[in-house]
Amino acid sequence: EAQVTQNPRYLITVTGKKLTVTCSQNMNHEYMSWYRQDPGLGLRQIYYSMNVEVTDKGDVPEGYKVSRKEKRNFPLILESPSPNQTSLYFCASSWGGTTDTQYFGPGTRLTVL
Amino acid sequence: GENVEQHPSTLSVQEGDSAVIKCTYSDSASNYFPWYKQELGKRPQLIIDIRSNVGEKKDQRIAVTLNKTAKHFSLHITETQPEDSAVYFCAASEDTGGFKTIFGAGTRLFVKA
Repeated sequence: EAQVTQNPRYLITVTGKKLTVTCSQNMNHEYMSWYRQDPGLGLRQIYYSMNVEVTDKGDVPEGYKVSRKEKRNFPLILESPSPNQTSLYFCASSWGGTTDTQYFGPGTRLTVL
Repeated sequence: GENVEQHPSTLSVQEGDSAVIKCTYSDSASNYFPWYKQELGKRPQLIIDIRSNVGEKKDQRIAVTLNKTAKHFSLHITETQPEDSAVYFCAASEDTGGFKTIFGAGTRLFVKA
């Protein structure tokens, strides 16, 4: 089954404790992206990747890191999480980049205390 | 920076009526305009999209119109049904100078039976 998976689905952590949210797709998509969703703000892009080893900042990259060592995986790293990073995070992928359908993962609800 | 404004933020209609959601974008290079539907607790899913070389696109009860001169596009849902109740997001992106996707803040649609 073609899909985008994320882990964990729920995470409660404390300020400053490094964490990684994994994202994996099995559709051989070249484009992958991370978004955060906050009430009243919609989906805001954190980072995106056009291909392996090619990543770039979205609109809200501060406090986040990403890597794209393999085509299928695009982990999101929070080196020192803070409470303002409490949010719902979605990973997405698409075949044709930004001008093609993006397929979203199930979401990761992160709470930073 | 670039942005997408979406209105209204909340829309309540009677079953069978039409619903219209409007978006305005700022980046004149945008050439792809998707609409995503997000049901409660679920991931966003594409329902329809339009490219800059097309003025209108229809898929059963859903249609999207694009006015590139005015930089706005709209989602039209006819004969609304209770299962249309969800949050709808518009987005704008381009694949020439940059590869970001900018989403609107979302419209919560309630369809009353």
